[in-house]
Amino acid sequence: GAVVSQHPSRVICKSGTSVKIECRSLDFQATTMFWYRQFPKQSLMLMATSNEGSKATYEQGVEKDKFLINHASLTLSTLTVTSAHPEDSSFYICSALRRWGDSKNYEQYFGPGTRLTVT
Amino acid sequence: AQRVTQPEKLLSVFKGAPVELKCNYSYSGSPELFWYVQYSRQRLQLLLRHISRESIKGFTADLNKGETSFHLKKPFAQEEDSAMYYCALSEGYGQNFVFGPGTRLSVLP
Repeated sequence: GAVVSQHPSRVICKSGTSVKIECRSLDFQATTMFWYRQFPKQSLMLMATSNEGSKATYEQGVEKDKFLINHASLTLSTLTVTSAHPEDSSFYICSALRRWGDSKNYEQYFGPGTRLTVT
Repeated sequence: AQRVTQPEKLLSVFKGAPVELKCNYSYSGSPELFWYVQYSRQRLQLLLRHISRESIKGFTADLNKGETSFHLKKPFAQEEDSAMYYCALSEGYGQNFVFGPGTRLSVLP
């Protein structure tokens, strides 16, 4: 089946620094990738939709200047948490959309997630 | 705005018993509905979607537009079904996914 990887799986950084998380689709091309945030014992919250070659679409309440998304190729999207603060500590999950046939044929494949801790 | 609700945070059933995980949604258009499952220490994965109308691992879900529901059912639960289940909605064509809060299913021996 299709595989999506995330790197790093776990990162600890100091307050005020920036952290980059990579999301790769390993065996398929993805024009669309998603970034989610998951708080402890809570559901996934969509942060933004990353579209290859264009600007990401952010959900309401998500600061685009704080969470920079770059989708420079069909297999890679990056999320950079800029000037991180302790409240940014969370589990970040990416997913990639694999499409085939007509527009109704697609499936979302998830990465394993990245645990970010800001001290 | 679209919304997905799952009223039960935790559902415990005995092995062999029927199980139903409830999901209701609100969306003015024609949504696409999904069930995702997360087994212990594994990543989230698709269980089934309403368009496919198929049964996966014995689970089925029927989209009821009148009741705006997409409940997940299995006639005989197995211990390996224990996991976190998320109902999700897409506005269509893989756009704007919204996830419900999730239901943890525990199947007891």
